[in-house]
Amino acid sequence: QVQLQESGPGLVRPSQTLSLTCTVSGGSISSGAYYWSWIRQRPGKGLEWIGYIYYSGTTYYNPSLESRVTISRDTSKNQFSLKLSSVTAADTAIYYCARRWTVAGFFDFWGQGTMVTVSS
Amino acid sequence: DIQMTQSPSTLSASVGDRVTITCRASQSISSWLAWYQQKPRKAPKLLISKASSLESGVPSRFSGSGSGTEFTLTISSLQPDDFATYYCQQYKSYPYTFGQGTKLEIK
Repeated sequence: QVQLQESGPGLVRPSQTLSLTCTVSGGSISSGAYYWSWIRQRPGKGLEWIGYIYYSGTTYYNPSLESRVTISRDTSKNQFSLKLSSVTAADTAIYYCARRWTVAGFFDFWGQGTMVTVSS
Repeated sequence: DIQMTQSPSTLSASVGDRVTITCRASQSISSWLAWYQQKPRKAPKLLISKASSLESGVPSRFSGSGSGTEFTLTISSLQPDDFATYYCQQYKSYPYTFGQGTKLEIK
């Protein structure tokens, strides 16, 4: 069964860049059957889809974050990553990586999530 | 963006109760709707896709219905393990959006 695990700093300074990595095990991100996504959950708020990357490197981002987001992948390490630039306190959230099928838009496997706090 | 609105925000119920959570979309999403269960400090777990398709391993007391703009998640007989927060998500169009959640509490 596929497993996803987020990693990265838990504290980021305002105006800096948030960087997280998702390591996938039990499956390959090079499979053409899936999109690999990032989703966040701000304190007391609901879930917000950030964007995805396909094995080919094709990406798609939420327009609300598009100007600040970059998702990339390293197929040799079976990892994909999130960079969010110019962060503010409003970017404080639990960040999840997740998998979805290319033919369906729901997320069937999620990482456990990692809390990122933006603070000086 | 398609707005997803869940009601109620909080629901108090007892073990054995039948409960229903509603999710409304700001425009038609056909049946492109998923339901998730989230427990504290855990990732969301997929329960239902395409409005009514139960995921493998999910107890049959969970069911989903609806199409277009109005959807429901029903738990036929609440079990202690069901007390959690539930989210709907539309995948009709980008950006995919979630409801704000319904917290199911023990009465």
